[in-house]
Amino acid sequence: SYVLTQPPSVSVAPGQTARITCAGDNIGSKTVHWYQLKPGQAPVLVVYDYNDRPSGIPDRFSGSIPGTTATLIINRVEAGDEADYYCQVWDSTYDWVFGGGTKLTVL
Amino acid sequence: QVTLRESGPALVKPTQTLTLTCTFSGFSLTTSGMCVSWIRQSPGRALEWLALIDWEDDKYYSTSLKTRLTVSKDTSKNQVVLTMSDMDPLDTATYYCARIRQWPATVYFDYWGQGRLVTVSS
Repeated sequence: SYVLTQPPSVSVAPGQTARITCAGDNIGSKTVHWYQLKPGQAPVLVVYDYNDRPSGIPDRFSGSIPGTTATLIINRVEAGDEADYYCQVWDSTYDWVFGGGTKLTVL
Repeated sequence: QVTLRESGPALVKPTQTLTLTCTFSGFSLTTSGMCVSWIRQSPGRALEWLALIDWEDDKYYSTSLKTRLTVSKDTSKNQVVLTMSDMDPLDTATYYCARIRQWPATVYFDYWGQGRLVTVSS
């Protein structure tokens, strides 16, 4: 199976920058998408196609074009950004694949 | 405004078949490129993709679960139904439905439902 590896947790102080990585074999050949999950709420797409944002997502959220890893970058982190974040790719063999998720804690 | 909402039983017994319904609004599953997918998250675990149905009624299933899954749509009711047979306590999870708008050009889920927690227990 195709595996996407994320750190289990990332902690950052308010106002600082959070970086959440997503590693996978030859990930640079795939488009990467990121979702935000908060308890009891519908998951939210925050970045798609590496670095595009849906309408309504603040420009504090961005994504890197991956070399060996993809990265979700959240600038000027706020308390409301505390959530679980998942990366996702589509693979022709394994279809839709999600990373293991990263819990972002705002200190 | 696009919305999706999952409905179905909160509790099923082992070996039973689970039937979940996704009722959506703000788009039509007859529109070219439109798809609805099912994704689940077991407690403490990652998201897991289960199945997808597209506007042409093509269906895609998770390799590991395909023998137990069936997805169908009723375009007149704006609904997509997922059945999963032979339920096990390990299938306890929150089940989400989500939309893809322009398959195969896009492969991300732009709108999700809030999810339905399903517990498998005798």
